[in-house]
Amino acid sequence: DAKTTQPTSMDCAEGRAANLPCNHSTISGNEYVYWYRQIHSQGPQYIIHGLKNNETNEMASLIITEDRKSSTLILPHATLRDTAVYYCIVRPLIKAAGNKLTFGGGTRVLVKP
Amino acid sequence: GAVVSQHPSWVICKSGTSVKIECRSLDFQATTMFWYRQFPKQSLMLMATSNEGSKATYEQGVEKDKFLINHASLTLSTLTVTSAHPEDSSFYICSATGHANTEAFFGQGTRLTVV
Repeated sequence: DAKTTQPTSMDCAEGRAANLPCNHSTISGNEYVYWYRQIHSQGPQYIIHGLKNNETNEMASLIITEDRKSSTLILPHATLRDTAVYYCIVRPLIKAAGNKLTFGGGTRVLVKP
Repeated sequence: GAVVSQHPSWVICKSGTSVKIECRSLDFQATTMFWYRQFPKQSLMLMATSNEGSKATYEQGVEKDKFLINHASLTLSTLTVTSAHPEDSSFYICSATGHANTEAFFGQGTRLTVV
């Protein structure tokens, strides 16, 4: 079972920042927060992951609360190509064989012109 | 990021026939590969996990004799849907991870339609 809760859908305006929340109140100490997105009819794409510190890469920023019970993915300047389903997943760091990603419902993000 | 390639991207087959889907890691050695299935407007559901050189581990409710998984090399895993039926029509997606990877990389998916 997925251990995260995300809003079902959200709209955002092109060029504006998109803030995607995720609740993971039962996260364990050794579990990371991973974000993936899936554009229609494609395989999921890795975005970012973090443990407790905020992280930033060329795609997005990840803000994790101090108690680690929730996080927010930030797309700084949303474009129409960012329209996708965004999945927040918690799991141990993928290095051990057998560690799998369990997908919940995700948030369907629609970027509007 | 690393590249995972699936083939074919889409396939249409007749009911009762078998279909093989290939998943290749192009620029890294995939010690573990995962196979998912996704029905329209639903999330990805893990079917099985395969480690190179060993038998796949299937999730509860997934028939191992119907969905044959082979992971004979560090760059290739195959999923064969045997005796396919219309209810097997779905989007099948593989992902792969290696010793040096902290994240899993996904193929582009294969849309199977059984008629």
